[in-house]
Amino acid sequence: KAGVTQTPRYLIKTRGQQVTLSCSPISGHRSVSWYQQTPGQGLQFLFEYFSETQRNKGNFPGRFSGRQFSNSRSEMNVSTLELGDSALYLCASSLSGSGANSPLHFGNGTRLTVT
Amino acid sequence: ILNVEQSPQSLHVQEGDSTNFTCSFPSSNFYALHWYRWETAKSPEALFVMTLNGDEKKKGRISATLNTKEGYSYLYIKGSQPEDSATYLCASYGGSQGNLIFGKGTKLSVKP
Repeated sequence: KAGVTQTPRYLIKTRGQQVTLSCSPISGHRSVSWYQQTPGQGLQFLFEYFSETQRNKGNFPGRFSGRQFSNSRSEMNVSTLELGDSALYLCASSLSGSGANSPLHFGNGTRLTVT
Repeated sequence: ILNVEQSPQSLHVQEGDSTNFTCSFPSSNFYALHWYRWETAKSPEALFVMTLNGDEKKKGRISATLNTKEGYSYLYIKGSQPEDSATYLCASYGGSQGNLIFGKGTKLSVKP
C-alpha cells in the first residue's frame, strides 16, 4: 500500500507570492490533516478535511486555506507569503479522522522557504 | 487551550542504557494519547494509540503507559540502540477540541 505522498518536497518562494502544496493520502483514508513545524515548536495543527469538508481548523490566519477533492487528495494554499511562513508542512491521513482512535500516517513533508 | 508538555527536551544515552520520557496533558475531557517516532529525514511514524486509564502497550523494546486521571504518559525504551535515535512526539486528543495537540518532543541520541 502506498504511503502518504506530498509534493513538492522543497519550495523557495518570495514574500508576497502564494504557494500550493499537495497531499495524496493512503488509499481508503478519508481524513487529511495538515501541520506546520517551525524550529523550536511542536507540530501546529492547520486544518483537517474529511470527505471534502473542513472539519476543524487551527489558529492560523485566513491566508492559510485548503481543500479536499473527491478522491481524498488535499491541497493547502498560502497566499501573500511572509518570512515567518518558512517551515516544514506535514500532511497526515487517517481512517477515522483527527487521529482520535486511529493513528496518523504522515507524508515526508514540504519544506517551504520564503525569502 | 490544551497544552501538551514533554520532558526532557533532549536526552543523550549510551547504547544498552534503558531510558524513559514523560508526556503530560490536561486530564479533563481526555479521549486518546498518541506516541510517534520521528527519525531525521523521515516522516513521523506512529508507535502507540492509547485510550484507557492504566493502558500499557509494547512494541519490541519500546513500551508506554497511560494515566488519564493525573494526565501523564511514560514511554520506555529498554536497552537503547543507535537506531532508536529520533525525536519522540506525544499528542493528546481531548473532547473539547477536534484535533491532536502535539508536544514539542524529546530528542533521543544513542551513542554506540
